[in-house]
Amino acid sequence: KAGVTQTPRYLIKTRGQQVTLSCSPISGHRSVSWYQQTPGQGLQFLFEYFSETQRNKGNFPGRFSGRQFSNSRSEMNVSTLELGDSALYLCASSLNVGTDTQYFGPGTRLTVL
Amino acid sequence: TQLLEQSPQFLSIQEGENLTVYCNSSSVFSSLQWYRQEPGEGPVLLVTVVTGGEVKKLKRLTFQFGDARKDSSLHITAAQPGDTGLYLCAGRSPVFNDMRFGAGTRLTVKP
Repeated sequence: KAGVTQTPRYLIKTRGQQVTLSCSPISGHRSVSWYQQTPGQGLQFLFEYFSETQRNKGNFPGRFSGRQFSNSRSEMNVSTLELGDSALYLCASSLNVGTDTQYFGPGTRLTVL
Repeated sequence: TQLLEQSPQFLSIQEGENLTVYCNSSSVFSSLQWYRQEPGEGPVLLVTVVTGGEVKKLKRLTFQFGDARKDSSLHITAAQPGDTGLYLCAGRSPVFNDMRFGAGTRLTVKP
């Protein structure tokens, strides 16, 4: 069974731009969560989606948004990029919402210049 | 203050040594997960512990969940260079219902 895939793997943007990241969960998994990982803050929860609905959201500004499609694939968008948004963005899939066991993708490394 | 406190933060040992990594909290968790992450990659799930007092073994790795389900430990026997990585514990916050991660233990095993 294929694992979680994320595209692109690497991205370089400038301040003020926007970016869209994509995630395809493991086949059969219906819940997708997004995390931001930085050296200073570690892994921080962004949001969790299930059945195309956002079920939970972390403490991030409204510039961070996401959505989930009917095939469980998910995208996250960051608008008006700031230098501090440079991070590894990780997507994790699980069978159902609220399932603690999650499987991570390789991440998208975003650099904001 | 992190919901999950991991110690030590850094660990550098020689191949063949044993080590223990700790994950502690004042909150009760329904389960805890352990992950290993290598640079530039996503965390890889090692184990999920669910029952208080539970012990799980994965080759040279032994995971224990505290009786009160507030803490967990990871013990590695005869560490090898391939064990090098960032070890993370994670659990669902009983208050916010989102997954929380410890800051991690960065392990280096020297040949």
